Amino acid sequence: DAGVIQSPRHEVTEMGQEVTLRCKPISGHNSLFWYRQTMMRGLELLIYFNNNVPIDDSGMPEDRFSAKMPNASFSTLKIQPSEPRDSAVYFCASRAGTGQETQYFGPGTRLLVL
Amino acid sequence: GENVEQHPSTLSVQEGDSAVIKCTYSDSASNYFPWYKQELGKRPQLIIDIRSNVGEKKDQRIAVTLNKTAKHFSLHITETQPEDSAVYFCAAQGFVNEKLTFGTGTRLTIIP
Repeated sequence: DAGVIQSPRHEVTEMGQEVTLRCKPISGHNSLFWYRQTMMRGLELLIYFNNNVPIDDSGMPEDRFSAKMPNASFSTLKIQPSEPRDSAVYFCASRAGTGQETQYFGPGTRLLVL
Repeated sequence: GENVEQHPSTLSVQEGDSAVIKCTYSDSASNYFPWYKQELGKRPQLIIDIRSNVGEKKDQRIAVTLNKTAKHFSLHITETQPEDSAVYFCAAQGFVNEKLTFGTGTRLTIIP
């Protein structure tokens, strides 16, 4: 089992650029979560999907952030335009499904916006 | 929404001694309480969890207790070892709302 896969692992970009983060959940899992981790705000849930459908995006900071899940094996989190305050580690996690609570985290993408 | 508070924020323990981390939650409907360990630069990894129909669960040196009435749960690590040094997060998940709300983390340092 390869676990949750995220890419890129590190991203350095300049303010105003578009950033796309990618996630491949564990095969067979049908819930996917995007988190952001910073020293100031800790681990925050941004959005989650069940069966590729966004269920709760109340944690998405603003319209600059968008997430998609076109199929069961792929999701993207896009920031456009990026700002320095978006610098953080972004984690993707997946879960087998409703009633199976354990979330498995990916290795994260460390984003630095200059 | 759910609010999870975690204490202490830092904890230093002599190797071999026990460590206890405590969390409180606000939503009485929450029914799942995992604990994650995060080493520096790594992903959070589940170490133990407990559901609301259980009061205590143990896995080797790690145990978790849950008091539903008081809405608090605790992580207990016995016979601590240097590799236990990490940041530990508690979390709570509601029955209807499937989101995990995390505590702010406890940085545990084991002193050799």
